Amino acid sequence: DQQVKQNSPSLSVQEGRISILNCDYTNSMFDYFLWYKKYPAEGPTFLISISSIKDKNEDGRFTVFLNKSAKHLSLHIVPSQPGDSAVYFCAASAAGGTSYGKLTFGQGTILTVHP
Amino acid sequence: EAGVTQSPTHLIKTRGQQVTLRCSPISGHTSVYWYQQALGLGLQFLLWYDEGEERNRGNFPPRFSGRQFPNYSSELNVNALELEDSALYLCASSLGDRAGIEKLFFGSGTQLSVL
Repeated sequence: DQQVKQNSPSLSVQEGRISILNCDYTNSMFDYFLWYKKYPAEGPTFLISISSIKDKNEDGRFTVFLNKSAKHLSLHIVPSQPGDSAVYFCAASAAGGTSYGKLTFGQGTILTVHP
Repeated sequence: EAGVTQSPTHLIKTRGQQVTLRCSPISGHTSVYWYQQALGLGLQFLLWYDEGEERNRGNFPPRFSGRQFPNYSSELNVNALELEDSALYLCASSLGDRAGIEKLFFGSGTQLSVL
């Protein structure tokens, strides 16, 4: 059961344009969401996060939007740069119970930013 | 400051063998997490250790086990290897004070191939 889904395996964007990466989840207990990016031969690195009490969080060129009613979040990168080319994973966590300390990841989206 | 280090980087084993993977967290981090990333899939939560104790484990069979040492380093052991255990095994560490909602720092992983 894939509780966190990234339905677009890949995304190609021109440098300077906006990149929008999408993520859907099914577990209504999730209350914290994170985005990680991964370069080849490296481990994932944290990018940005959002709590379920917010609907938007911004950090420089990166903004995450959360739509709880639709169980959907998105990551916007503006403007996109070639160095942003990587695999992007969304992840979700739920406080307490069997989910304590556990992050549930999506399958990842490969972002390619063309110069 | 040194990041999370994992060893070995690559490993080839045959079915039925046993393997031990090692992880050293960032200095000052008490929590260590293990994730499995099989080809084409997202990261799957394996184990979480904090202060030497196993705090949670994912939906993996008991032949996946591990431990955390007094210096907070950790080992992941996999017994009776199966072909589907072929994957990238990622270790992450964190301060351990906000489980599930703090950012994780990942190592570069151990690529395990089971033949």
